[in-house]
Amino acid sequence: GAGVSQSPSNKVTEKGKDVELRCDPISGHTALYWYRQSLGQGLEFLIYFQGNSAPDKSGLPSDRFSAERTGGSVSTLTIQRTQQEDSAVYLCASSLGGNNQPQHFGDGTRLSIL
Amino acid sequence: KQEVTQIPAALSVPEGENLVLNCSFTDSAIYNLQWFRQDPGKGLTSLLLIQSSQREQTSGRLNASLDKSSGRSTLYIAASQPGDSATYLCAVRAYNQGGKLIFGQGTELSVKP
Repeated sequence: GAGVSQSPSNKVTEKGKDVELRCDPISGHTALYWYRQSLGQGLEFLIYFQGNSAPDKSGLPSDRFSAERTGGSVSTLTIQRTQQEDSAVYLCASSLGGNNQPQHFGDGTRLSIL
Repeated sequence: KQEVTQIPAALSVPEGENLVLNCSFTDSAIYNLQWFRQDPGKGLTSLLLIQSSQREQTSGRLNASLDKSSGRSTLYIAASQPGDSATYLCAVRAYNQGGKLIFGQGTELSVKP
């Protein structure tokens, strides 16, 4: 079956612009996660959606970052007024519900801020 | 605060060798530990998940062990092949941390033909 799909695969934009990154999870997965991978910081958690519960936004680095998950499926991560330090690979993962389900990752969106 | 460490950061071995990758974590209050591989420019591929009540998991040439009390996990790769070359990451899902995984920095493995 299809895995986690992310788009675009690459995005180059100018500092100060807004960007939207999309994640399409595995069908039937109720949990969806966003992570960021950068050279100096490794893999960092950003936000977690589980079913209809309020999302865990504890990893978002600033109020310029937000995410939505519509209809319990597709998610969009939005970064407003991008800065050069936002350059990274943004990874999305999904899983079945529960604490002992493996997380399955997409190939990520490589974001470059000029 | 949970911290995950992987040693070594990089490893180069000749083809056919058996090898062990190490992962340690500071807080034993975890639900599970998951091993991933990452190829250049790609996302993470899940290899094995060990629940906190388990001691080991096996998949093909891979065997992962977990010693929760000492905060350690190992990933054993038997009869290594050049196609095993990748970065290997371990991550824990900790109590009271929501659903997030906390990752180590990874071990970059190179298997030489």
